[in-house]
Amino acid sequence: DAGVTQSPTHLIKTRGQQVTLRCSPKSGHDTVSWYQQALGQGPQFIFQYYEEEERQRGNFPDRFSGHQFPNYSSELNVNALLLGDSALYLCASSLGTGIFGYTFGSGTRLTVV
Amino acid sequence: AQSVTQLDSQVPVFEEAPVELRCNYSSSVSVYLFWYVQYPNQGLQLLLKYLSGSTLVKGINGFEAEFNKSQTSFHLRKPSVHISDTAEYFCAVSSGPGGGNKLTFGTGTQLKVEL
Repeated sequence: DAGVTQSPTHLIKTRGQQVTLRCSPKSGHDTVSWYQQALGQGPQFIFQYYEEEERQRGNFPDRFSGHQFPNYSSELNVNALLLGDSALYLCASSLGTGIFGYTFGSGTRLTVV
Repeated sequence: AQSVTQLDSQVPVFEEAPVELRCNYSSSVSVYLFWYVQYPNQGLQLLLKYLSGSTLVKGINGFEAEFNKSQTSFHLRKPSVHISDTAEYFCAVSSGPGGGNKLTFGTGTQLKVEL
């Protein structure tokens, strides 16, 4: 049973560029949440998608946007990259509300230079 | 608003010794509490969760945690650690569907098990 799959695993971008990260949820899950984990910090909630709509959003600027597709996979887009966007981006999937615990992917390590 | 405080950034311990990782939370509503473990270059793995009922929760790999509402704590314990337990541990709180089920994490505790 495949867990949560994220791609790419690593990437390097230049300040001002745009990036798209991808996530395939665990089989049977329909909700995808994205978290940003800066070095030495705990993950911070970016947003959550359910039924192809953004259901909740954390304290992140509009440069961060997302999408969920009919097959429940999701993309995270970040525009006008800043050095401070360098972080591990984690995708977590769940069934519905997810209070029983998310399943996390291994993350995408984004470095902005 | 919710918040989580992990009181120790690093905890060194010898193999086969007991360990406690401390977590305090702040929330104005009922909470669900979680402990996750993160091994190097990996995502987060759920160790255990408290949703309701018994305040002593048992998880995977021999870990357990006790929910203390009066002290707003959810400390993680293991009676005898192994080298393989070396990892980063995160405590997290969620107010559940009523308040949005996003997780608010602490800053993590690095557990280093030494021989």
